[in-house]
Amino acid sequence: EAGVAQSPRYKIIEKRQSVAFWCNPISGHATLYWYQQILGQGPKLLIQFQNNGVVDDSQLPKDRFSAERLKGVDSTLKIQPAKLEDSAVYLCASSRPPSNTGELFFGEGSRLTVL
Amino acid sequence: KQEVTQIPAALSVPEGENLVLNCSFTDSAIYNLQWFRQDPGKGLTSLLLIQSSQREQTSGRLNASLDKSSGRSTLYIAASQPGDSATYLCAVKGGSYIPTFGRGTSLIVHP
Repeated sequence: EAGVAQSPRYKIIEKRQSVAFWCNPISGHATLYWYQQILGQGPKLLIQFQNNGVVDDSQLPKDRFSAERLKGVDSTLKIQPAKLEDSAVYLCASSRPPSNTGELFFGEGSRLTVL
Repeated sequence: KQEVTQIPAALSVPEGENLVLNCSFTDSAIYNLQWFRQDPGKGLTSLLLIQSSQREQTSGRLNASLDKSSGRSTLYIAASQPGDSATYLCAVKGGSYIPTFGRGTSLIVHP
């Protein structure tokens, strides 16, 4: 079974520019998560989707971050405009059903550097 | 709000030692707890998943236990090897099915 796919793996941008990350979850996984991991810290949830609906986005900085999951499959996370403190690894994960007990699987992550 | 703490933050041991990594959580109403390994510059690799109804899970040299009443889980690594060097993270899935992570334990096993 193919794993969670993410792209790009690395991105370097200037502050105030925009960037987009893409994630394709494991086939059949209804739940998709985006996490932000700053160096030396544990992952922090940004947004959780169940199919194409948002379950939780309480920690998503909505003035600059947006995410969508069209058709309940792949997802895009966008940052516009980027700030220096957005430098981090953005991890996508998916979970097999049922949502409450399903195991989490992660992609390799997208490392963002904001200069 | 669920809070997850991992102790120790860092650990350096000689090869061959048996290790215990700790994960504690504040809200015992959980669905499951999952242990991950993260190598530098990589994503998270799942090691063990313990459902709330289970007390432990084993895979090779790894054994994870869960005590919901005390809000604790331990990851036991037997006969450590240099290839075990990585950061180990635990994630607790509770209300709203949201997995909450600790900051991890950075492990170095030297030959």
